[in-house]
Amino acid sequence: EAGVAQSPRYKIIEKRQSVAFWCNPISGHATLYWYQQILGQGPKLLIQFQNNGVVDDSQLPKDRFSAERLKGVDSTLKIQPAKLEDSAVYLCASSRFGSQANYGYTFGSGTRLTVV
Amino acid sequence: DAKTTQPPSMDCAEGRAANLPCNHSTISGNEYVYWYRQIHSQGPQYIIHGLKNNETNEMASLIITEDRKSSTLILPHATLRDTAVYYCIVRVSPIDTGRRALTFGSGTRLQVQP
Repeated sequence: EAGVAQSPRYKIIEKRQSVAFWCNPISGHATLYWYQQILGQGPKLLIQFQNNGVVDDSQLPKDRFSAERLKGVDSTLKIQPAKLEDSAVYLCASSRFGSQANYGYTFGSGTRLTVV
Repeated sequence: DAKTTQPPSMDCAEGRAANLPCNHSTISGNEYVYWYRQIHSQGPQYIIHGLKNNETNEMASLIITEDRKSSTLILPHATLRDTAVYYCIVRVSPIDTGRRALTFGSGTRLQVQP
């Protein structure tokens, strides 16, 4: 099966600019996650979707970050305005909900954001 | 979810077994042990998981102590491609994947030496 697709692969922006990341999960995976990974740290959950509804966005900085998953498939994550501390890799993952056939998450390769 | 403790880094010679330890002394009876790894510039990849019995798949073996307070991930014949950060995660049933997301710690950076 095709993996989780993310774009762009790299992005460099100036602080206070806006940026958007796109994710296409594995077909049939109802659950989609966005993680932020700062250099040297493990991934940190930003938001979790179940179909097109939000399950957990408790760690999403809502004053500047937003995410949507229209039609329960693709998802976009936006930052506006960006700060220097937003420099990180943004990972998208998907999983099949409620099935014992797929125990794990499948991650994309991520988008590396550099804010200068 | 129970907290896990892993050494920050380990080295292993190519062709030898890599044994990565994980402590999870506060694990509950319904919590599983998951292992993921993250190769440079890639997203984390699922390796294996278990509840209390030892598990083996094509990638690795998972040994869980009888009291379930610690576990060891074994890569039987490490190659240079196994150089990565390995994450040990404890959480509830895999059926519950839709409810609460995986929480990653800092993991163990394994360097396989030629």
